[in-house]
Amino acid sequence: AQKITQTQPGMFVQEKEAVTLDCTYDTSDQSYGLFWYKQPSSGEMIFLIYQGSYDEQNATEGRYSLNFQKARKSANLVISASQLGDSAMYFCAMRKGSWGKLQFGAGTQVVVTP
Amino acid sequence: DTGVSQDPRHKITKRGQNVTFRCDPISEHNRLYWYRQTLGQGPEFLTYFQNEAQLEKSRLLSDRFSAERPKGSFSTLEIQRTEQGDSAMYLCASSPGTGKDNEQFFGPGTRLTVL
Repeated sequence: AQKITQTQPGMFVQEKEAVTLDCTYDTSDQSYGLFWYKQPSSGEMIFLIYQGSYDEQNATEGRYSLNFQKARKSANLVISASQLGDSAMYFCAMRKGSWGKLQFGAGTQVVVTP
Repeated sequence: DTGVSQDPRHKITKRGQNVTFRCDPISEHNRLYWYRQTLGQGPEFLTYFQNEAQLEKSRLLSDRFSAERPKGSFSTLEIQRTEQGDSAMYLCASSPGTGKDNEQFFGPGTRLTVL
């Protein structure tokens, strides 16, 4: 069975600083995808970044980068130059293969302070 | 707006009543997913469709829950004889079924409160 673990329930980060959100996963599958979503207080899930299990390079999307360490089964999200609007819940998720359901972690609440 | 839409956004009902939620996916997305999210938790998978075919159902989906996607476009999720434990945010997502990352795009959710 697949499992996603986010060990940080909450974090404070100062504006303009970088923050790393931890995510570890457990799967016996060779082909899988890893996702990060942001959920502001409004409730909508916003896709941030994707990493495929066969991708050799770490994914980057603007201020978001994914530190993918396959042997350690970790997929940490790095947000650079934090902004007040980054305050939200962040979820790591995994998908088996190329489509199908997402399995989510419990999330990390990020609060960006001025 | 061409994103995923859900209706209603909020629903308050009494225990024992039936409720139905609707999800309209992004046009031409052939895969549609339902998730449930309780307070302080990540979303949990309920079921998903490829076109009109329901391909997978979670064990979370008891006999009181039924989902349909009759013409492969919008979908409905019905909960019969609601219980207080059904109170949650119900999220719908769609994906194109092709492409490298094939990400799921989420709707705003329907928040259900069962009194």
